[in-house]
Amino acid sequence: DGGITQSPKYLFRKEGQNVTLSCEQNLNHDAMYWYRQDPGQGLRLIYYSQIVNDFQKGDIAEGYSVSREKKESFPLTVTSAQKNPTAFYLCASSILGADTGELFFGEGSRLTVL
Amino acid sequence: GNSVTQMEGPVTLSEEAFLTINCTYTATGYPSLFWYVQYPGEGLQLLLKATKADDKGSNKGFEATYRKETTSFHLEKGSVQVSDSAVYFCALSEYGGSQGNLIFGKGTKLSVKP
Repeated sequence: DGGITQSPKYLFRKEGQNVTLSCEQNLNHDAMYWYRQDPGQGLRLIYYSQIVNDFQKGDIAEGYSVSREKKESFPLTVTSAQKNPTAFYLCASSILGADTGELFFGEGSRLTVL
Repeated sequence: GNSVTQMEGPVTLSEEAFLTINCTYTATGYPSLFWYVQYPGEGLQLLLKATKADDKGSNKGFEATYRKETTSFHLEKGSVQVSDSAVYFCALSEYGGSQGNLIFGKGTKLSVKP
């Protein structure tokens, strides 16, 4: 079955530690995205990538980093510079150039900073 | 900039009641509009979409009509079920879908009681 796989589903981190969230897709989609979800805030775009080895900052990129070395993979690193990292993180992908604009989401990773 | 505003929740209804969740948008140009649904502990799934004015999107008994004159895309369902309990997000695609970036509203939590 095609889809997006995020791991881990739950992650705990001590303050000052970096942590990397994995996102893999086998949909052959060109574009991939990371969103952060907080209660009452909706989804906010962190980073997105439309092609391998290229990515752009979204609305809240500070304290995060990404890489896109392979089409199917878009890992997100939450660095110690992120002041309030506890949140639910969602990875998504889409076909570029299609008329639909539909995003396909993974099941999310919940990060808690202790 | 472009934005989406949707009614705040939570919304609590009895089974078989009529549902309306309001969504209005601000955008330059002609965005595509979407409703996504998030069931507890999961990622988002596309519920329905409309790509031009006066289009009606529909799925699983839910409907929404793209109203350019009122810049609205209200979600409706004639008879809700307990299984419809979820968070609903209205979203727009700035580039009509060609580049995939979506702007989301803050979400409306729906609880349906038996």
